[in-house]
Amino acid sequence: DIQMTQSPSSLSASVGDRVTIPCRASHNIGTFLNWYQQKPGKAPKPLIYAASNLQSGVPSRFSGSGSGTDFTLTIVSLQPEDFATYHCQQSYSSPYTFGQGTKLEI
Amino acid sequence: QVQLVQSGAEVKKPGASVKVSCKASGYTFTSYPIHWVRQAPGQRLEWMGWVNGGNGDTKYSQRFQGRVTITRDTSATTAYMELSSLRSEDTAIYYCAKEARGPAAHNWFNPWGQGTLVTVSS
Repeated sequence: DIQMTQSPSSLSASVGDRVTIPCRASHNIGTFLNWYQQKPGKAPKPLIYAASNLQSGVPSRFSGSGSGTDFTLTIVSLQPEDFATYHCQQSYSSPYTFGQGTKLEI
Repeated sequence: QVQLVQSGAEVKKPGASVKVSCKASGYTFTSYPIHWVRQAPGQRLEWMGWVNGGNGDTKYSQRFQGRVTITRDTSATTAYMELSSLRSEDTAIYYCAKEARGPAAHNWFNPWGQGTLVTVSS
């Protein structure tokens, strides 16, 4: 199975900050990497697919980059509603594994 | 709009089985797979398997092979996930999600159902 690693598991930031959230795959997955946002008590919501493509309806302050084994989710000008947990997921091969999540806190 | 609505919370005893449903609407059910993902307390999201909405083919994670059965009813546009031989570690929120497709065989999960809490306790 492909292991996905997100570190750190939590990150402190303030409104207006620029933050980067890293994700690493144990094998080369090309650009088969997706990002989701999850708020407490809610289902995950897709943000980025295929490493760098913005899901329809997602604000342009979110962006994704990377290929191979190293990926990054970037949020510029953090808004109050962005404080949530972010999960990366590989769709290169099944089982489709997730990172452990990075919780973005104030 | 595309929507997945799951059945309600369940409480089961160890050794029992649970069957969770996922009613789809707003798209052609037979054209897309439905995936199941679970989230145990404090754990990462874990993919369990998927069912092809058209022909009913399935693929399961090895971790659940032999204990999970995913089916679909095209007339009801509903997918089902049944997990047997439940143990306390299966206490989790279970989500269904429709597969979304992009260029070059990329896929992701969109949208997700609201989740179903399954509690396994004696």
